[in-house]
Amino acid sequence: GENVEQHPSTLSVQEGDSAVIKCTYSDSASNYFPWYKQELGKGPQLIIDIRSNVGEKKDQRIAVTLNKTAKHFSLHITETQPEDSAVYFCAASRPGTDKLIFGTGTRLQVFP
Amino acid sequence: NAGVTQTPKFQVLKTGQSMTLQCAQDMNHEYMSWYRQDPGMGLRLIHYSVGAGITDQGEVPNGYNVSRSTTEDFPLRLLSAAPSQTSVYFCASSYSGGAHRNTEAFFGQGTRLTVV
Repeated sequence: GENVEQHPSTLSVQEGDSAVIKCTYSDSASNYFPWYKQELGKGPQLIIDIRSNVGEKKDQRIAVTLNKTAKHFSLHITETQPEDSAVYFCAASRPGTDKLIFGTGTRLQVFP
Repeated sequence: NAGVTQTPKFQVLKTGQSMTLQCAQDMNHEYMSWYRQDPGMGLRLIHYSVGAGITDQGEVPNGYNVSRSTTEDFPLRLLSAAPSQTSVYFCASSYSGGAHRNTEAFFGQGTRLTVV
């Protein structure tokens, strides 16, 4: 069945450093790859997404890259700040469906 | 805009009790879904609906029922609560259809359920 693996499960970085979270998906038909940020006590919120016809997308300090051949995609956060501390989830979805399959999450801690 | 509203925020149930988790959205989204979040397991899809009157099972549907009588509401029913259903439950909705497939999912604030 469809599966999304996410690594690492926890990540600690110093403020100002970069953070990278990686995900691998199993369904080669997947074509939509969003990333969600979940702050303590809240529901997940979309921060960036990428579709299979694009290799990279950037939004200020956040970027996502996609390698369709290897079936993996990554989230890159540069110049990390304490407010970036949260749990991040990757997800994948097939065309013609809104059903999202999520990774297991990465707890990012940014130390001042 | 209220977005996605879940009630209650917290609930404690005894084993064997039944209850309904409520979810309502005011964005006229066709697609709605329920997830459970457990430590180390991420968000797992329980049930979803692509529109009023249509529901389908996700990854972990056992022990849960859903219905979708209106576009706005998508309640999740626990038929006979078990300790294994202790979790945080999230409802989500998104716009769907045609060229706008795969759009942003909006999540509620979650319901923390404990079954003792």
